[in-house]
Parts: sequence; C-alpha cells; structure tokens
Amino acid sequence: AQSVTQPDIHITVSEGASLELRCNYSYGATPYLFWYVQSPGQGLQLLLKYFSGDTLVQGIKGFEAEFKRSQSSFNLRKPSVHWSDAAEYFCAVGPMEYGNKLVFGAGTILRVKS
Amino acid sequence: DGGITQSPKYLFRKEGQNVTLSCEQNLNHDAMYWYRQDPGQGLRLIYYSQIVNDFQKGDIAEGYSVSREKKESFPLTVTSAQKNPTAFYLCASNGRTGITDTQYFGPGTRLTVL
Repeated sequence: AQSVTQPDIHITVSEGASLELRCNYSYGATPYLFWYVQSPGQGLQLLLKYFSGDTLVQGIKGFEAEFKRSQSSFNLRKPSVHWSDAAEYFCAVGPMEYGNKLVFGAGTILRVKS
Repeated sequence: DGGITQSPKYLFRKEGQNVTLSCEQNLNHDAMYWYRQDPGQGLRLIYYSQIVNDFQKGDIAEGYSVSREKKESFPLTVTSAQKNPTAFYLCASNGRTGITDTQYFGPGTRLTVL
C-alpha cells in the first residue's frame, strides 16, 4: 500500500538557520512526489514536485528537495529560513498517470523563532 | 483570475442536517477531488472525479455524496450519516503541465456541527 511518513510533527528553527523536513514514502513504482505548504486556515500551495530526471528539484520561495530512491526519501530543504516560512508542510506521493490520487503525509508544523 | 473557489468559507450545521459545499474551477481541468483535513492526520481523500458524469469513492466516502454534472463544478454533500463531520474540507483540481500532473487546491471550507 502507498504511504507517506513525515517523522517530525513539529520543528522549531531560528530565523536564518537552515531547515530540513523529512519525508519517507512507500510506493510500488516510480512515483510523482510533491511538497505543499499550508498557512493556517488556508488551502495548500505547491512548493515543488519531482517526476523524473535530476533528483534535486528547485521550488518556489527558495525551497529545494532531493529524491533518493535508495532511501525512499524526498526531504525538503531551505538554506536560510524566514519568519514567513512558519506554516505546515505536507509531502505527497502519487502515480505517474493523469488524474492521480495523491497520498499525503500527516504534515510537519514549522515554527520559526526570532 | 484562474483558480479554484470554495464556498462558504465557514459553515455551521445542526446535527441531522445535510449540507452542500461548493467547489468551482475555471482552470479547464478534467479531474477534481475532495479531501478532508483533521489535525495531525494530513489530508484524506473523500471522492474524486476524472471526468464529467463520473466519480469514484476515495478512502473515507461513507456519509458523503458528490455529483459532477459540469466540468467546472464538483459539489460535496455531507449527509446526516457522516458521524463526525466537523473538519476542514479542501477541494482540488488536477492540471497537466507538459507531461506532469499537479493538484491545485482551493481555500477550503470549515464545517462545524453544532
């Protein structure tokens, strides 16, 4: 069965520090992988996605993620966190076919301290 | 502006009542989805539709119903059979960019049962 694990429910980092949010997935074939961000009471915004090719993917707002097939991971990184990055982050996995159903992780809440 | 709209933003329901949540998109996307979000559980798929006049149950369809009479619209009815309907509901649609798929989300509707 498909599944996504985000091991950290909450993470707190200082403004200006680097960030890594972990995502591990279980999937039978090569998946599409996504990271979304959600501010409180809002919808989800796509940060980045991976479907093939270069395993280091660049996204919006200075985020990047690296696909590691051997570790079944797709960790999200940012070199320097801003206070506005405080939000909840979701990793998702889906099949490479149109109209895909995504499976989401439980989310990681990022807190930024000044 | 292209996008996904959900209405209302907040909805209150008495026990035993059915309520319908609206989702409209003007992105010309074929596939649409409904998710339920509860704290600490990520997003769970309720129903999805890959084409007009067709839809499939997701992981937690019991107590919910949908219709897809128009490409732009995918309303969700929360029936009195849904035991615990208080949650945040997110609608999404799936667009193809090149050879990849991406789900785009609406702003959500928060349903509270009184």
